[in-house]
Amino acid sequence: SQQGEEDPQALSIQEGENATMNCSYKTSINNLQWYRQNSGRGLVHLILIRSNEREKHSGRLRVTLDTSKKSSSLLITASRAADTASYFCATDSFGTSGTYKYIFGTGTRLKVLA
Amino acid sequence: DARVTQTPRHKVTEMGQEVTMRCQPILGHNTVFWYRQTMMQGLELLAYFRNRAPLDDSGMPKDRFSAEMPDATLATLKIQPSEPRDSAVYFCASGLAKQGRTEAFFGQGTRLTVV
Repeated sequence: SQQGEEDPQALSIQEGENATMNCSYKTSINNLQWYRQNSGRGLVHLILIRSNEREKHSGRLRVTLDTSKKSSSLLITASRAADTASYFCATDSFGTSGTYKYIFGTGTRLKVLA
Repeated sequence: DARVTQTPRHKVTEMGQEVTMRCQPILGHNTVFWYRQTMMQGLELLAYFRNRAPLDDSGMPKDRFSAEMPDATLATLKIQPSEPRDSAVYFCASGLAKQGRTEAFFGQGTRLTVV
């Protein structure tokens, strides 16, 4: 089963509003990442937050991480029509061989209306 | 402009046929992932390699799927025989793992349709 679950599954907002997406995961992690996927395209890396970090910013993006609740949120401020996409969280954890692997959540489909 | 290249972009094949998907990771990356994306299952990790060695292929149906890295510039995912339920978009991603941090760079995917 997948590691992460995003909510909401779909979100529709007006341009200029803020969009918040949440991700919950099940096991301990080393890092959590957020990706964006435009329709029919590959995934684009947005931001990485380490397990010992609580908040990180990148441009209009703000990511928080609460390891006690096993959850993360992605906030997009002042949204634009071009932000319309699906957003995924991905968690990595080290396996017994000292390697990591990424498990993706189910994604949030964001639609920003002009 | 470094990018992960996947070929073919689209593939339509008949049930029972062999399908081979190829991926050229970004030069210098030491980790390669194969994912499958469907509406029902979302993104599933099929297999991944570190320094060309397979580390985990537990997400891959072993009876018909195989993944290899014949050299550092090529990763392949093969399905033999293919079935309609294999229809999906298959993504390859590469990354450089160091000090517990990495980000995966994704290719554009191969959209496979098995009829």
